[in-house]
Amino acid sequence: EAGVAQSPRYKIIEKRQSVAFWCNPISGHATLYWYQQILGQGPKLLIQFQNNGVVDDSQLPKDRFSAERLKGVDSTLKIQPAKLEDSAVYLCASSRFSGATLNEQFFGPGTRLTVL
Amino acid sequence: SQQGEEDPQALSIQEGENATMNCSYKTSINNLQWYRQNSGRGLVHLILIRSNEREKHSGRLRVTLDTSKKSSSLLITASRAADTASYFCATDRNQGGKLIFGQGTELSVKP
Repeated sequence: EAGVAQSPRYKIIEKRQSVAFWCNPISGHATLYWYQQILGQGPKLLIQFQNNGVVDDSQLPKDRFSAERLKGVDSTLKIQPAKLEDSAVYLCASSRFSGATLNEQFFGPGTRLTVL
Repeated sequence: SQQGEEDPQALSIQEGENATMNCSYKTSINNLQWYRQNSGRGLVHLILIRSNEREKHSGRLRVTLDTSKKSSSLLITASRAADTASYFCATDRNQGGKLIFGQGTELSVKP
C-alpha cells in the first residue's frame, strides 16, 4: 500500500510571496488532515477534511491560509501572503475514516517551508 | 492549543538501556496514541491505547494509561541506536478523529 505523498519536500520563499503544497492520501482514506509543525513543537492541526467537506478548520488562519480537497482525494494547502512565522514543516495525514474508536493517522514526509 | 505535555523534553541513554517518556493531558479522552518522528521525516504511529485500557504492549514498547491522573507513559526496552527520534503523544477526544499532540520527547540512544 503506497503511503501519503507530499510535494514539494522543501520550499524557500520570501515573505509576502505565495506558496502551495500538495498531498495525495492513501487510497481509500476518507479523512485528510493538514498539520503545521514549528521547530521544536508537536504538530498542530490546521484543517481536517472528511471526503471533500471540511470537518474542522478552527485553527486555520483564514486570512492567509486556504485548503481544498476537490473530488475527495488529493488536497492542496495554500499560503498567501506568507509571513516569517509560517516557516515550519507542513504535514499531511490521512485515516480511513474519522470518528472511529481506533483512528490511526498515516503521515506523509512533510514539506519544509522557509520564509525569508 | 497543545493538549499533552511530555516529560522529559530530552533524554539521552546508552544502547541496551530502557527509556521512559511521560505524557500528561488536560481533558477526558477517547484514546491516546504515541508517534515517532525521525529527523527530517514524517510521523509514524507506534501504539494506541483506549481510555478503558490500562496497559498495552507492542514488541519492545509498553504503554500505560492512568485516566485518573490524566497521564500515560511509553517504555522502550533494550533501546537501540535506531530508536533515536522524537516521540509524541497525541490525544483523541472523540471530536471526529482530531488528534492533539504534545511537545514531544527527543530521545538519543548512544551506541
